Amino acid sequence: DAGVIQSPRHEVTEMGQEVTLRCKPISGHNSLFWYRQTMMRGLELLIYFNNNVPIDDSGMPEDRFSAKMPNASFSTLKIQPSEPRDSAVYFCASTRGSAGDTQYFGPGTRLTVL
Amino acid sequence: GEDVEQSLFLSVREGDSSVINCTYTDSSSTYLYWYKQEPGAGLQLLTYIFSNMDMKQDQRLTVLLNKKDKHLSLRIADTQTGDSAIYFCALGDGGSQGNLIFGKGTKLSVKP
Repeated sequence: DAGVIQSPRHEVTEMGQEVTLRCKPISGHNSLFWYRQTMMRGLELLIYFNNNVPIDDSGMPEDRFSAKMPNASFSTLKIQPSEPRDSAVYFCASTRGSAGDTQYFGPGTRLTVL
Repeated sequence: GEDVEQSLFLSVREGDSSVINCTYTDSSSTYLYWYKQEPGAGLQLLTYIFSNMDMKQDQRLTVLLNKKDKHLSLRIADTQTGDSAIYFCALGDGGSQGNLIFGKGTKLSVKP
């Protein structure tokens, strides 16, 4: 299995631009998670889906952030408009969704907003 | 909700043992996990322990669980420079969808 795939691996954009991060979970996994990691705040859960349905989006910082999961093999995290404080590494993770199953993380997208 | 606490930094000399500690507030998790994050990479599962166990050993790794004190630890024997990484403690949230509550991570630095 290829593991969790994220694209792009690096993104540099200017303030005000729209940014779209993409994730392909492991085939057969039912839950998908988006995290953000910064030096100051550590690893933060933004939102997670189960069977393509958003379950908890309480970690989404503000309305500029949105996430979708149109099918079991694809999810996007969009930031519009982006701001310099959004600069971070964004991770996607997936799991079978049963209690006790571990999460498998993608390699992350390093976002820099100038 | 669940709160998971870890110290942020640990520095050891190569060949010594490292002990990374974690405390938590909620005991409903069936499994407790240790993840490792190497520079520039995502988190990878290192080991885990079932909540009805006190200890689990896996080569150089020993996990100890004290449910009474809500304390989890990871011991790395004969620590090597390749063990330098951030180590995260994680617990399930008690639900059935695989959500985990992560600590802030402990950055382990191994000096030669």
